[in-house]
Amino acid sequence: SQQGEEDPQALSIQEGENATMNCSYKTSINNLQWYRQNSGRGLVHLILIRSNEREKHSGRLRVTLDTSKKSSSLLITASRAADTASYFCATDHYGGSQGNLIFGKGTKLSVKP
Amino acid sequence: GAGVSQSPSNKVTEKGKDVELRCDPISGHTALYWYRQRLGQGLEFLIYFQGNSAPDKSGLPSDRFSAERTGESVSTLTIQRTQQEDSAVYLCASSSTGMGWLHQPQHFGDGTRLSIL
Repeated sequence: SQQGEEDPQALSIQEGENATMNCSYKTSINNLQWYRQNSGRGLVHLILIRSNEREKHSGRLRVTLDTSKKSSSLLITASRAADTASYFCATDHYGGSQGNLIFGKGTKLSVKP
Repeated sequence: GAGVSQSPSNKVTEKGKDVELRCDPISGHTALYWYRQRLGQGLEFLIYFQGNSAPDKSGLPSDRFSAERTGESVSTLTIQRTQQEDSAVYLCASSSTGMGWLHQPQHFGDGTRLSIL
């Protein structure tokens, strides 16, 4: 069953602009993670935000979490062509198996030079 | 330090054949996960191993799918009597456990692209 749903499905921007992707989920969680996937490669972990955190930063990435709305956003500032990839949010299920991370379908980001 | 390694990277086989996919996790990672990713889709959880505990098989789509893990090392995912609907990328991930195990990121291999003719 789908837990995380990213929005938009696709996003095309110019280099230097900011990119914002959103994720909504359905059940209570321990944490929410964002991953990036370049074409033909595995996923790379970007950032993890715990359910008791509201905002987290890592370099040009900023993640927010609103547990009351069951939503999260990923902001990439000053985007670069190398940021072109698909971005997925993933949630666990509070009280569930640690292994059962549930991924959304992803946002495909294209950054044009 | 090597990352998660999967083999083969590509596999093309005829419908009805059995296939075996291999995953070498990061050394010292006690947790290992298998996912399936269909074209343009997100990841679908298949199975999870944690140390010597019984695996969580709740995501396996049918009894044609099975997986094994030797201790805390290599894992193999076997698909018997393959069907065209099994065509997908199969991704393996590992993570460490211990303190704060609920909040450990997963480290992924590049996957095996399986095509059933």
